[in-house]
Amino acid sequence: EPEVTQTPSHQVTQMGQEVILRCVPISNHLYFYWYRQILGQKVEFLVSFYNNEISEKSEIFDDQFSVERPDGSNFILKIRSTKLEDSAMYFCASSGDIYEQYFGPGTRLTVT
Amino acid sequence: KNEVEQSPQNLTAQEGEFITINCSYSVGISALHWLQQHPGGGIVSLFMLSSGKKKHGRLIATINIQEKHSSLHITASHPRDSAVYICAALDSGTYKYIFGTGTRLKVLA
Repeated sequence: EPEVTQTPSHQVTQMGQEVILRCVPISNHLYFYWYRQILGQKVEFLVSFYNNEISEKSEIFDDQFSVERPDGSNFILKIRSTKLEDSAMYFCASSGDIYEQYFGPGTRLTVT
Repeated sequence: KNEVEQSPQNLTAQEGEFITINCSYSVGISALHWLQQHPGGGIVSLFMLSSGKKKHGRLIATINIQEKHSSLHITASHPRDSAVYICAALDSGTYKYIFGTGTRLKVLA
């Protein structure tokens, strides 16, 4: 069964560094999403992406964050100048329509 | 007030018990998603519902659109069911998921 994959599974970085979180969505999907879950809190929407551009973003998704789809398979979240409070699980999801989303296993980001 | 509320927040059950987790939402939705999150953090999709009832193995999910309420039931619970169960409502205006805070289930052998 096709699935969404994410790499790395765990990333440790120093404050101020840039991190790149990678996602490979399901191949025929058109809608892509990033979510964040700070430890002990609920999952929060970050951004949705369709037709090579951002379709929605939350107030969390400020200039520190960017997304891109550099080729036909990867969907990337970049976090510039990381802060301690960026430590969280980051989930990618994809969907073939606007309804059911398929989630990846997540990347645990630890900023020290 | 949270737009998606789950209850209970924590639940401990004995193996074999019938378990119910509730989700209430205040927004108009196109669909509701039940997710399972294991201790390692990964999320697995269990059900997506827009009406009625769905069953998969020992899991049953129901939704009442008029009452804005959904339930997830686990029959004959097992320690491997121990996880956090998350309800996510797909807002029909924005098509963004709004997540509940999750129900932490522990099933004891």
